[in-house]
Amino acid sequence: DARVTQTPRHKVTEMGQEVTMRCQPILGHNTVFWYRQTMMQGLELLAYFRNRAPLDDSGMPKDRFSAEMPDATLATLKIQPSEPRDSAVYFCASGSDRVRGVGYTFGSGTRLTVV
Amino acid sequence: DQQVKQNSPSLSVQEGRISILNCDYTNSMFDYFLWYKKYPAEGPTFLISISSIKDKNEDGRFTVFLNKSAKHLSLHIVPSQPGDSAVYFCAASEGPWTAGTASKLTFGTGTRLQVTL
Repeated sequence: DARVTQTPRHKVTEMGQEVTMRCQPILGHNTVFWYRQTMMQGLELLAYFRNRAPLDDSGMPKDRFSAEMPDATLATLKIQPSEPRDSAVYFCASGSDRVRGVGYTFGSGTRLTVV
Repeated sequence: DQQVKQNSPSLSVQEGRISILNCDYTNSMFDYFLWYKKYPAEGPTFLISISSIKDKNEDGRFTVFLNKSAKHLSLHIVPSQPGDSAVYFCAASEGPWTAGTASKLTFGTGTRLQVTL
């Protein structure tokens, strides 16, 4: 089965440190999303890309978060500096803009804890 | 502002009975709706979807109903099985959608379903 791969699965870091999360989308998918899961907000959209171009990153705190796609096989989400309120599970999802009916495929997530 | 709302954080149903999960939305531009299921320590997985031109879509034990006038949709699981115990997320996207665009999904906060023996 094709899958979206996220690394690391778990990350514990101290406040103020830089955190980088990585995502390998499914080969051939041209749309990539970053979501964050919190208890209060559910799954919040942080940013998304189509054909590696950023389409919307309005969900991200711009002063500390950045999202990039250096190439079609890698998407990154960086937090610098990290804060305790960033503790959450971060999901990457990929899809094809040619097929709307089946939704998008999510990775297993990166559980981030900032202490 | 939560555009997709799942007002029941949890639901417990006996095995074999019907599970009904509800979802309300406020954005009139939403025209495509999806349900995802999520197990612990895994990412959400797509379950079933419905376009706004329909009011019902069925896939095996899962049926999604859409009431556009009420801005409400529901997921019915019949019969419920212990393996259905998971968190269910309702999601919506805005139209119009055509190949060549990317539809972002707006999610609700999820409902935890527990199917008991």
